[in-house]
Amino acid sequence: ETGVTQTPRHLVMGMTNKKSLKCEQHLGHNAMYWYKQSAKKPLELMFVYNFKEQTENNSVPSRFSPECPNSSHLFLHLHTLQPEDSALYLCASSQARAYPHGYTFGSGTRLTVV
Amino acid sequence: DQQVKQNSPSLSVQEGRISILNCDYTNSMFDYFLWYKKYPAEGPTFLISISSIKDKNEDGRFTVFLNKSAKHLSLHIVPSQPGDSAVYFCAAGGSEKLVFGKGTKLTVNP
Repeated sequence: ETGVTQTPRHLVMGMTNKKSLKCEQHLGHNAMYWYKQSAKKPLELMFVYNFKEQTENNSVPSRFSPECPNSSHLFLHLHTLQPEDSALYLCASSQARAYPHGYTFGSGTRLTVV
Repeated sequence: DQQVKQNSPSLSVQEGRISILNCDYTNSMFDYFLWYKKYPAEGPTFLISISSIKDKNEDGRFTVFLNKSAKHLSLHIVPSQPGDSAVYFCAAGGSEKLVFGKGTKLTVNP
């Protein structure tokens, strides 16, 4: 597979559940990102990893826990979420310098918290 | 403080006409810019980019223009097609992560 692959595409979870989102890239990129897009809101950057090291946490609540075991894989562990956390969660990857091709995004995970 | 602004939340054009999407930025340290297209429930897809040393870049029906003195860039789509209906994001990059605008929803009417 090429590009950025996110699984699952859709997820419904209760507020007491624990689940994980997975992202995988086969592009040889060094940086990976988690974004959140809520309905009618702009893209919100959540976390940035460069060479497996977290370089940015954009004041994200601790109920979201990222993990980057290597440069090709990124996880977002979810626990005790709230209904307002329902959103499209997007993973992206890039080279250290994102020019000329920018970030490559996955198709996203549509998360619904009930 | 928004460093990248897309002041028009929506734009509607007729099929076959030109679509012009605008973007303004405030940080003169940005040295490249990109446009993305996003369909509902999908990730953004890269369209076209431009370096700050250029003022125009063209790829098929898509042309990006950069006016550094005005800190303004625009995306022209000619001719517009119904399949171009989507949300378009501009983004700016430099030494750090990309900064995205809030997006403009383009509707191309048949």
